[in-house]
This record gives sequence, structure tokens and C-alpha cells, in this order.
Amino acid sequence: EVQLLESGGDLVQPGGSLRLSCAASGFTFSGFAMSWVRQAPGKGLEWVAGLYGSGAGISYADSVKGRFTVSRDNSRSMLFLQMSSLRPEDTAVYYCAKDYIFGDGYWVFDLWGRGTLVTVSS
Amino acid sequence: IQLTQSPSSLSASVGDRVTITCRASQGITIYLAWYQQKPGKAPKLLIDAASTLQSGVPSRFSGSGSGTDFTLTISSLQPEDFATYYCQHQLHNYPTFGQGTRLEIK
Repeated sequence: EVQLLESGGDLVQPGGSLRLSCAASGFTFSGFAMSWVRQAPGKGLEWVAGLYGSGAGISYADSVKGRFTVSRDNSRSMLFLQMSSLRPEDTAVYYCAKDYIFGDGYWVFDLWGRGTLVTVSS
Repeated sequence: IQLTQSPSSLSASVGDRVTITCRASQGITIYLAWYQQKPGKAPKLLIDAASTLQSGVPSRFSGSGSGTDFTLTISSLQPEDFATYYCQHQLHNYPTFGQGTRLEIK
């Protein structure tokens, strides 16, 4: 079955760190760019970070640059998001999303996970 | 590149024809996608490249536009279409979404 499954969301204090994981199955993971997209409670969608299938190309939203690091392990079909210096405004459901087109970043997303909730609060 | 959707919310009835617009702050040719999101669910890709309907998406959905002005049209609303819709561009390795349009039952 083609699917993405996120994990790692939790309650964390401001200034803390957290690592999210996304397990992919049912498609050639290494051939597609992958992204993290978040949604704050009651708000819209915000792209956070993306990574080419090869890992050669990485891009971040300005709001997380220097604090978040996206990585992938193609041998295990896994995507990660290391988050540090977390702020209350980082509170959101974080979705893992697959690129629609095989190859380098196309940045249109045809497969999404269910999301994992990150809450940043003291 | 900023995307501005209008309206932000919309009330309509089953069978109505509905149009949602998305305006880009600069030209993006046809690099625009549309998504549907229902409460508590992940977004679903409806349309790519401004007007290419995804497999399995009903033909009552259509997209048009290029440059800075785009539209998503639902020709005859069905009960399952009541949701929030987002446009998204994909340029410069920095995709961004519109703020969303919430489509509610009148």
C-alpha cells in the first residue's frame, strides 16, 4: 500500500528540540523529493522544508531556517525533521508529503501522511 | 511569491456552481495546484499545472488561468465538496499556499 506515516510529535517546552520521522511505503522513495508541511490549529497550510530524492537539494521556509534540519535515509525509506529552538508558533500538525513527479523537486504533493502534532508550550 | 485567495469563505447550496480565485503576487505561468482539505484530514491534490485534473477527481472540478490569476470551479456542488480549498505555487524551491477558502453549506 502506498502510504506515509509520521511519528514523533509531542509536547515540548519553548527552546526545546524534537525529531519527527516519516515512514514511506509502496513507492520508490529515493526517486521523489519529499517535504514537511505544517498546519497550526485552525490555520492554513505552510510548507516547512523539502529535500530532493538524492538528498542533493534542500530548501527551508524562512520561518524555520537555521532551526530545523530535514534529512532522509533512502535505504530505510524514511524522512526526518530535526527541530530545535522550538517556539510556541511552531505548534502545528506536521505532515510528510511526497512530490507528484519523479525526480528533482517539483513541489506539488500527491501523497500525504495523517500528520503528527507538535505542541510547544511551557 | 504570495498567493491571495478569494473569497475566504463561501456559503453555497448543493447543485450550485462555485468559483474560487487565487491571485499570485507575481507571474507563475501555470505552476499552480489546488487542494481540498476536510476537517481532521490531510489535504488532497485536485489539480496540477493550473488545469490538469488528477486521476479520480470528479469532472465537476476544473481549473484555469495563467500568469497571476487562477480559478477553481466546481460546476455542481455535491455534499462531499464542502471543505476548505487551497491554491499552491511551486516555484523557486519555496512553495507557498494561499490562505484557504472555506466552502460551507448554505
